[in-house]
Amino acid sequence: GQSLEQPSEVTAVEGAIVQINCTYQTSGFYGLSWYQQHDGGAPTFLSYNGLDGLEETGRFSSFLSRSDSYGYLLLQELQMKDSASYFCASNAGKSTFGDGTTLTVKP
Amino acid sequence: DSGVTQTPKHLITATGQRVTLRCSPRSGDLSVYWYQQSLDQGLQFLIQYYNGEERAKGNILERFSAQQFPDLHSELNLSSLELGDSALYFCASSVYGGDTLNTQYFGPGTRLTVL
Repeated sequence: GQSLEQPSEVTAVEGAIVQINCTYQTSGFYGLSWYQQHDGGAPTFLSYNGLDGLEETGRFSSFLSRSDSYGYLLLQELQMKDSASYFCASNAGKSTFGDGTTLTVKP
Repeated sequence: DSGVTQTPKHLITATGQRVTLRCSPRSGDLSVYWYQQSLDQGLQFLIQYYNGEERAKGNILERFSAQQFPDLHSELNLSSLELGDSALYFCASSVYGGDTLNTQYFGPGTRLTVL
């Protein structure tokens, strides 16, 4: 089976940096994806790590450590529009999403 | 706009009824996924089809079934509906059906309310 664990809520202020962690237990792990979902909207793809290390896409970065079964999403220069739910996901065998982390950005 | 379309956007029905949700993937995508998202919950994977064949099955109830047609659109059938089936149902599509980088593009969802 597969399971991905992430914190349920994170709060930060505008302009700050926030890190959302994801630990996983999967068999046949291939990589970790991150998705963003605004309230009531469709999830949208943010980033993917197939290998260990850091992937950077603008203000967002994602990191993976296979040896630690751990990854994180790093959001820099937070903006109010970044308030949303963030999901880590694995695609090994069948698609599995974590329960999501609700990020609240305060002014 | 992801390019994935879902119909209808909203559906209100009664317990015991049957409904069909429809999804058209992005042009060129061969894989279709179905997810259920209950209020303030995560995305529960239901089933995946790749080029017309079932590829992976998640926590899909026996009352639910799906299929992918030759034109690659997919339908999710929900029968003997219960109050607990009320949720947002998402369809997603991707180019491949494999396990590596397989970016999923989500449709806007169908909000099902069972009264």
